[in-house]
Amino acid sequence: ETGVTQSPTHLIKTRGQQVTLRCSSQSGHNTVSWYQQALGQGPQFIFQYYREEENGRGNFPPRFSGLQFPNYSSELNVNALELDDSALYLCASSLGGGEGTQYFGPGTRLTVL
Amino acid sequence: DAKTTQPNSMESNEEEPVHLPCNHSTISGTDYIHWYRQLPSQGPEYVIHGLTSNVNNRMASLAIAEDRKSSTLILHRATLRDAAVYYCILRDPLRGSGAGSYQLTFGKGTKLSVIP
Repeated sequence: ETGVTQSPTHLIKTRGQQVTLRCSSQSGHNTVSWYQQALGQGPQFIFQYYREEENGRGNFPPRFSGLQFPNYSSELNVNALELDDSALYLCASSLGGGEGTQYFGPGTRLTVL
Repeated sequence: DAKTTQPNSMESNEEEPVHLPCNHSTISGTDYIHWYRQLPSQGPEYVIHGLTSNVNNRMASLAIAEDRKSSTLILHRATLRDAAVYYCILRDPLRGSGAGSYQLTFGKGTKLSVIP
């Protein structure tokens, strides 16, 4: 059984660009949650996908969007990147809309210059 | 906002027990208490969770106060590998979604240093 994987590991973009981050959920899990972690802070909830639909959203603007695919993998897209978007982006997979324990991937470190 | 409060940092000597406290005075009767830890340069790792009774697993023990307003994560013998930020979390239900959908709301956690 494979754990949660994320790609890429690191990414450098410039302000105004767009970025796509990817997450493969743990085998058998149908829910993916995305979190943003700024340096020195705890992770903040962005949104959750359950069975290919957005299931809930935190206080992030619409330029943060996502997708979940039939195999339950997921993408996080961020448009019009800002310097403050520099952070570690984490995805977590679970069963049943986050009811089950959430298991995290290693994260993608995004730097916006 | 996180519904828990934890000390910012703690220190422990290697091979000694560590007791990490957490206060959650506004906990409801159905809230589970979850603990995660985050090692440097890694994603958070699930440690343990519980509702009312004390819980044990291979990583740690969770002691829950009788009134459930506080809990303590116990590492029985700290190793250097246990140096991490430990988060105590009460999940938040997702607004506008079906029953049983939750997000994790993290605070700043407790940074545990283990001294050789």
